[in-house]
Amino acid sequence: AQSVTQLDSQVPVFEEAPVELRCNYSSSVSVYLFWYVQYPNQGLQLLLKYLSGSTLVKGINGFEAEFNKSQTSFHLRKPSVHISDTAEYFCAVRISGGYNKLIFGAGTRLAVHP
Amino acid sequence: KAGVTQTPRYLIKTRGQQVTLSCSPISGHRSVSWYQQTPGQGLQFLFEYFSETQRNKGNFPGRFSGRQFSNSRSEMNVSTLELGDSALYLCASSFGDGSSGNTIYFGEGSWLTVV
Repeated sequence: AQSVTQLDSQVPVFEEAPVELRCNYSSSVSVYLFWYVQYPNQGLQLLLKYLSGSTLVKGINGFEAEFNKSQTSFHLRKPSVHISDTAEYFCAVRISGGYNKLIFGAGTRLAVHP
Repeated sequence: KAGVTQTPRYLIKTRGQQVTLSCSPISGHRSVSWYQQTPGQGLQFLFEYFSETQRNKGNFPGRFSGRQFSNSRSEMNVSTLELGDSALYLCASSFGDGSSGNTIYFGEGSWLTVV
């Protein structure tokens, strides 16, 4: 079975500061890794994904994530956040070569303050 | 290109009633999956359909069911509603069958309140 742990339920940060949202996963088989963002009263939007290859993945809105196989982590980073980045962020895994089934973490609420 | 469209966006039902939610995937997508989002349980997978076949089902009671039509549109049904079924129900679609890293796109969801 697969599981995803997002280590912080809430992350407050000041505008223009860097931020890291942490994600660890557990799986006995190979997985794909994803970060989604959810703005209030909206669905989920894909920020970035890791399938294979380079462990540093760049996504939309200036976000990037690094896959660390030995630590089973996929942390999301942004060097300088904006007020508009305030949202809920979800880390997810999917079995590689498997069905279209995502296993999500509990989410991290990023609050950017002026 | 239109995104994943879900209807209705908001609805209120009474305990014991049933509800049907509809989802139109992105054009050309053959995979549709459903998720339930609640503050207590987070995002949980309900089921996935690919070319009208249910391929995977989450850990939900039999009151939750779904289907997919030949045009890839999907519906999910919840019978004998309980207060705990109040949630945001998200539909997602994907072009591939999951064997590659195809992106899964989400709709804006249907907000169900059971009173």
